[in-house]
Amino acid sequence: GQQLNQSPQSMFIQEGEDVSMNCTSSSIFNTWLWYKQDPGEGPVLLIALYKAGELTSNGRLTAQFGITRKDSFLNISASIPSDVGIYFCAGRTGNQFYFGTGTSLTVIP
Amino acid sequence: NAGVTQTPKFQVLKTGQSMTLQCAQDMNHNSMYWYRQDPGMGLRLIYYSASEGTTDKGEVPNGYNVSRLNKREFSLRLESAAPSQTSVYFCASSIGQGEKLFFGSGTQLSVL
Repeated sequence: GQQLNQSPQSMFIQEGEDVSMNCTSSSIFNTWLWYKQDPGEGPVLLIALYKAGELTSNGRLTAQFGITRKDSFLNISASIPSDVGIYFCAGRTGNQFYFGTGTSLTVIP
Repeated sequence: NAGVTQTPKFQVLKTGQSMTLQCAQDMNHNSMYWYRQDPGMGLRLIYYSASEGTTDKGEVPNGYNVSRLNKREFSLRLESAAPSQTSVYFCASSIGQGEKLFFGSGTQLSVL
């Protein structure tokens, strides 16, 4: 399957700080999705991106579809304790999505 | 709105036992999927159903079978469970293939 490299693997930040994470691949994707997963729950869709260069926000979250179509970025501004969780990217090629291994975010109050 | 509902939430099996994981969605989606999630790996597609009446293999189909019972329901069956099938299983649905995926809350399966 396609390889999606997600970094960093984990982050420990102070409440109020901004967060950046990214997803890269050697393959071109047509759609990027960003999900958040809480322990014991399924992934919840945060943001969907459909074309190269697209920048989309959802509250304090902003994601970008890289212009090469091989990467995507997620930023969280002014982090709060409930941002804790694992963030996954997913890229679509054809009709199939491939998932990154996740970034684990810990927010220290 | 329930969205995507999976049962059971937890299951422990002995090697060789069989079981069926159930999934239902109430969003009138055409496509449904089964993924497994293992530590250090991204979600991997086991099987999918692009529309009612069709099923296709994904990336890791060996040891599994599926049934698209109707538009709402898509089940995953392990005929003879193996320890390598210990994982968290997620069902997902989308309005159509290649569209945004919506996930259930998962089934944690342990095979001893």
